[in-house]
Amino acid sequence: DAGVTQSPTHLIKTRGQQVTLRCSPKSGHDTVSWYQQALGQGPQFIFQYYEEEERQRGNFPDRFSGHQFPNYSSELNVNALLLGDSALYLCASSSRLDSGGANVLTFGAGSRLTVL
Amino acid sequence: GQNIDQPTEMTATEGAIVQINCTYQTSGFNGLFWYQQHAGEAPTFLSYNVLDGLEEKGRFSSFLSRSKGYSYLLLKELQMKDSASYLCAVLDSNYQLIWGAGTKLIIKP
Repeated sequence: DAGVTQSPTHLIKTRGQQVTLRCSPKSGHDTVSWYQQALGQGPQFIFQYYEEEERQRGNFPDRFSGHQFPNYSSELNVNALLLGDSALYLCASSSRLDSGGANVLTFGAGSRLTVL
Repeated sequence: GQNIDQPTEMTATEGAIVQINCTYQTSGFNGLFWYQQHAGEAPTFLSYNVLDGLEEKGRFSSFLSRSKGYSYLLLKELQMKDSASYLCAVLDSNYQLIWGAGTKLIIKP
């Protein structure tokens, strides 16, 4: 049973470019959340997708956008890259049907983005 | 604002016990999570507390006091593989996870 898979694992871009990161959730999960994690910091919530719609959004500019497909996979797009966008981007999946309200997240290994 | 505080780094000895504290100030509370993250890897779920008290799971236990805005993660019989960062996260009133910066735990032989 595959967990959460993300691609690419590493990538290098230059300022002003655009990037697309991809995520396939764990089998049986229908909700995908994206996080940005800077070195030595905790994850920062970007947004969450459920039923192909953005349901919640953290404090990130409109340069960060996403999409969820009918098979629950998701993409994160970042436009007009800045040096400060260099970070590990984590995708986490969960199921709305999880009982007990815990809604435990299963994380992928992340995509490490370096902006030069 | 919302805030989660954890020590930046702790050091402990193999076979010993260590307690990692987490204090929080959030808009609402719908549960507190602890995750473990090895360097370069994904965070993995350790525990979830929503009611006051101690939850024990093998060598790991997690405690919550909602009135004090306080939690701790207790690790017993430390092993070298426990060297990792431990992240505390609180589910706020909007069911959004607010994360601490993590505590880097170093285990020495």
